[in-house]
Amino acid sequence: GNSVTQMEGPVTLSEEAFLTINCTYTATGYPSLFWYVQYPGEGLQLLLKATKADDKGSNKGFEATYRKETTSFHLEKGSVQVSDSAVYFCALRFSGAGSYQLTFGKGTKLSVIP
Amino acid sequence: EPEVTQTPSHQVTQMGQEVILRCVPISNHLYFYWYRQILGQKVEFLVSFYNNEISEKSEIFDDQFSVERPDGSNFTLKIRSTKLEDSAMYFCASSESGQGGRGVFQPQHFGDGTRLSIL
Repeated sequence: GNSVTQMEGPVTLSEEAFLTINCTYTATGYPSLFWYVQYPGEGLQLLLKATKADDKGSNKGFEATYRKETTSFHLEKGSVQVSDSAVYFCALRFSGAGSYQLTFGKGTKLSVIP
Repeated sequence: EPEVTQTPSHQVTQMGQEVILRCVPISNHLYFYWYRQILGQKVEFLVSFYNNEISEKSEIFDDQFSVERPDGSNFTLKIRSTKLEDSAMYFCASSESGQGGRGVFQPQHFGDGTRLSIL
C-alpha cells in the first residue's frame, strides 16, 4: 500500500540556517505529493505540492522537488526564521480514480531559535 | 480567506457515550473528509463524503462511526459508543474537487481540529 516516511524529529536550528526535512514514499502509479505545516494550536495548512515527476513546489521560501527515481520529496529552505517553528507533514495522494485520501508521514517538529 | 471551522475545540466524554463532532466546510466545496491523529502518531484518513454519500473509508471507520451532512452547511462525525482508544485530534477537511491523478487538483483545506478525550 501507499506509505510516507519522514525523518525523525525534533529538528532544532538557529535562525538563518539551512533546512532539509527528508521524505520518501511508497506508492503505486503516480501519486501527488504535498507538504503540510501545522503551527502551534492550529490545523494543517497546505504548504506546497507537486503533481508529477520533476515538478518543484514552492511557497514562503520552502521548496520540494518530486523525484520519481528516488521516490523522494524532500523539503528545503535556505534560511529559516523563528516563525517557521512548526510541525511539517509530508503526504501523498494516490492517483487512482475514486481515491481521495491523503496518506501522511508522522510529522517532523522544527524549532528555530534566535 | 474562507476556512473550515470545527466545534468544539475540545470535547471530553465518558467511555461508552455517543459524541458528535461538528464541522462547517468552505461553502463552495463539494468533498468532505475526516482524519484523526492519535497523540504522537500519524494523521490517519477516516472517510470522504460526496453527494450525500461516503465515497471512501478506511479500516478505522467501522460501524461505530457515521457521517452526515444534516443541512447545507454542516458536516458531522458521530461516534456511537466511544472507547478509550478513540481519544485523538479529529480534523475535518474539504475540497472543491476530489479528482486526483494528472488532472486539475484542488487541495484539501483543514480545520483546526477537535481534541476528543475519552475518560
